[in-house]
Amino acid sequence: DAKTTQPPSMDCAEGRAANLPCNHSTISGNEYVYWYRQIHSQGPQYIIHGLKNNETNEMASLIITEDRKSSTLILPHATLRDTAVYYCIVRVGTSNAGNMLTFGGGTRLMVKP
Amino acid sequence: EPEVTQTPSHQVTQMGQEVILRCVPISNHLYFYWYRQILGQKVEFLVSFYNNEISEKSEIFDDQFSVERPDGSNFTLKIRSTKLEDSAMYFCASSVQGSGNTIYFGEGSWLTVV
Repeated sequence: DAKTTQPPSMDCAEGRAANLPCNHSTISGNEYVYWYRQIHSQGPQYIIHGLKNNETNEMASLIITEDRKSSTLILPHATLRDTAVYYCIVRVGTSNAGNMLTFGGGTRLMVKP
Repeated sequence: EPEVTQTPSHQVTQMGQEVILRCVPISNHLYFYWYRQILGQKVEFLVSFYNNEISEKSEIFDDQFSVERPDGSNFTLKIRSTKLEDSAMYFCASSVQGSGNTIYFGEGSWLTVV
C-alpha cells in the first residue's frame, strides 16, 4: 500500500470546519483513500473512502485532487466529540481483496471550545 | 447498525498463561482480522482470515498466536503462552467481500500480562 503523510496534530475551534490534509503521492490507480479515526483507545472508526471522485456522507466529506496525490477530509462543523486521531490510509479495493489496513501515526485533531 | 463485538473488554493474565480473545464479526462479512495496539503506539496488523484459513499474517503473528472460527459466528485469537510484551489492546475487525471492502472494527479487548 502507498505511504501517506499527515501533519501530526491540528487544532480546530468548535463549530468550525476541520480540514485534515493527507499526501499520498505514490498512490496507484487501483488504490482507494480511506479515512478512519480513533477516539482515545477505542476501536478505529470508519469515516469515508473514495477512489477519485469527491465523496460525502453523514460524517464528513472527502476531497481528492485530480491527480489523486493528495486528499482532504472535511468535518463541516466540528464538535468536541470529534477530538481524535485521524488516519488516512490508501489500499487496494478490488472485490477479492481482504488485505489489511496499514496505520501510520495519523493526525491528532483537538477541537477546542 | 451492525457492529463487531469483542469479549472480554479487559483481561488480566499471568505470564505464560493461555488467553483466548473472542469476536463476533458482522453477520454477512466474510473476511476477519486481528490488529493490536500497544499503549502509545500505532495500530498494527496481525492476521487476516478468509474461507477458514489465514490469508495474510504479519511478522508479529508468530507460533504463539493462532486464530479460529469455531462456529458460524465467533472468531477467536489465541495466545498460547503470554509474555509481558503481549500487553496491548487487541482489535477484531471484519469486512464483506465486494467493492470498497470497508473494514469495520470492534471496540477492542485490553490484555494486561503481569
